[in-house]
Amino acid sequence: KQEVTQIPAALSVPEGENLVLNCSFTDSAIYNLQWFRQDPGKGLTSLLLIQSSQREQTSGRLNASLDKSSGRSTLYIAASQPGDSATYLCAGYVYNFNKFYFGSGTKLNVKP
Amino acid sequence: NAGVTQTPKFRILKIGQSMTLQCAQDMNHNYMYWYRQDPGMGLKLIYYSVGAGITDKGEVPNGYNVSRSTTEDFPLRLELAAPSQTSVYFCASSDSGSSGKLFFGSGTQLSVL
Repeated sequence: KQEVTQIPAALSVPEGENLVLNCSFTDSAIYNLQWFRQDPGKGLTSLLLIQSSQREQTSGRLNASLDKSSGRSTLYIAASQPGDSATYLCAGYVYNFNKFYFGSGTKLNVKP
Repeated sequence: NAGVTQTPKFRILKIGQSMTLQCAQDMNHNYMYWYRQDPGMGLKLIYYSVGAGITDKGEVPNGYNVSRSTTEDFPLRLELAAPSQTSVYFCASSDSGSSGKLFFGSGTQLSVL
């Protein structure tokens, strides 16, 4: 059974810091990987999608990488801002099972 | 620009009552999913569908039923509600299960008392 671990569970940083969120899968047979942002009381918004043939994706201050051999992904946020405060979830798609497996998220608080 | 629309946003049920959570998407996506999210936990897949007329169980299907008569709609039925079904429910869709982005609705917060 696929288990997804996100570390740390919570993170509080001052504005301007660069930070790294981690995501790991017990079974490295991940076809693609997505990072999501969830604001309180809201649904999930897809931030970055790393396709099976890719190793990383970038969007603005966000960069996500995927190492399939180890089943690990990282989300790098540069120059963090208070508006980045949210919960960040990763999800890996396992092709044979037609489903995404989600981590429980990292709750980020960026202090002004 | 509706995307994925879920109704209702909030609902309180008594034990043993039944209800249907509605989900509709206007992106012509074949893949649709129902998830539940318990506090501090990741999303658990309840049911999914790869196209109209095709549904399959996810990790936690007990106590729920689904149907997919059209590409657009994917309702989730709760029969005989139990306190363990208190959760936030999310519907999502994708144009391709293996390579597509997941688009989520805003969720339904359900309490069973």
